[in-house]
Amino acid sequence: GAGVSQSPSNKVTEKGKDVELRCDPISGHTALYWYRQSLGQGLEFLIYFQGNSAPDKSGLPSDRFSAERTGGSVSTLTIQRTQQEDSAVYLCASSLRGSSGANVLTFGAGSRLTVL
Amino acid sequence: KQEVTQIPAALSVPEGENLVLNCSFTDSAIYNLQWFRQDPGKGLTSLLLIQSSQREQTSGRLNASLDKSSGRSTLYIAASQPGDSATYLCAVQSNYQLIWGAGTKLIIKP
Repeated sequence: GAGVSQSPSNKVTEKGKDVELRCDPISGHTALYWYRQSLGQGLEFLIYFQGNSAPDKSGLPSDRFSAERTGGSVSTLTIQRTQQEDSAVYLCASSLRGSSGANVLTFGAGSRLTVL
Repeated sequence: KQEVTQIPAALSVPEGENLVLNCSFTDSAIYNLQWFRQDPGKGLTSLLLIQSSQREQTSGRLNASLDKSSGRSTLYIAASQPGDSATYLCAVQSNYQLIWGAGTKLIIKP
């Protein structure tokens, strides 16, 4: 597609429920990032995918968080047993190649998660 | 450990003024430095990317400079307009990782 698509744009859920967030990157982009942005805060790195390499999961805050990228394209971020502190905007970005001096990231509009 | 700082945290200026946003970083071993804008409730839009071998980049009324040795970058906005109101974020990239500043919230008053 022309840009990075994320769905849902808004998700309200009850504490303890599982949620799944989806990111559809730009076609041909091998690098994909997930970030979290809490209200009034900066971007917090969650996970990075590059082609078929093992992802960098070092930013995932707990084992309730997991992510996968199928076929090197669409990615899903899953949060199990959601907690109120998980409430944030989850941003996805893609780029042609991650480890490059000209690595311009294109961001999706984000998925706003509210845990009641 | 790389740290990125943006000053000021917020800035409000009348329309038409030229302004400078600042970004500093602690480790000069970077691939590039990038400036983004974020509008309320939206994702980030890439504005300018300066590779480590470059000193500046320009796009329209925007000019970004990079001084790796001093760990500083500035984003210059000429003839500001109300549509420039947004939060401006800088990020430095090392390998594939981007380290982000907390942003400068800019308000341009008509």
